[in-house]
Amino acid sequence: DAKTTQPNSMESNEEEPVHLPCNHSTISGTDYIHWYRQLPSQGPEYVIHGLTSNVNNRMASLAIAEDRKSSTLILHRATLRDAAVYYCTTFYGGSQGNLIFGKGTKLSVKP
Amino acid sequence: GAVVSQHPSWVICKSGTSVKIECRSLDFQATTMFWYRQFPKQSLMLMATSNEGSKATYEQGVEKDKFLINHASLTLSTLTVTSAHPEDSSFYICSARDSHRGFLSGNTIYFGEGSWLTVV
Repeated sequence: DAKTTQPNSMESNEEEPVHLPCNHSTISGTDYIHWYRQLPSQGPEYVIHGLTSNVNNRMASLAIAEDRKSSTLILHRATLRDAAVYYCTTFYGGSQGNLIFGKGTKLSVKP
Repeated sequence: GAVVSQHPSWVICKSGTSVKIECRSLDFQATTMFWYRQFPKQSLMLMATSNEGSKATYEQGVEKDKFLINHASLTLSTLTVTSAHPEDSSFYICSARDSHRGFLSGNTIYFGEGSWLTVV
């Protein structure tokens, strides 16, 4: 079973920020939090990952709760190209880890 | 960024035949590769973890004799769907883990574009 819980869908207006939440209450101390997004008929695309501290990259920001049981992916200015299914996963950083995907959040962006 | 290539992008085969899907890491070595299956409007389901030079580890409920996985080199893993049936029609996706990078240096897992299999 997936170890993460996300809302099924969210809507945003173009050029506005989007906060996508994820609960991972059973995360262990060595698990990284990864976010991917997927467009229809394409493989998932890496967005961002983190362990404990908040992370920023050119695509998004990742805010991780102090207890690490939840995180939020932040798209600072949504564009139409950001419409996709966003998956939050937890991943053991060691060599034996694998990525298990939950149901994800389908993000719609309105012009 | 690193590239993972899958081939073919789509394939149609007759029921009862076998079909092979290739997954290649183009600019990095991948000791570990993963195979997923995705049905329309559903999430990705992990089928198996493929380790170079050893037998794949299959997830519960996945028939290892039906979905043969070979990972003979550090840049290539193959998934063969044997005696395919219409219910095997799906989107198959592979991912590869960069063997030489740790998570502290950035992302290490890259996904292929996916392969559509239609069994008629």
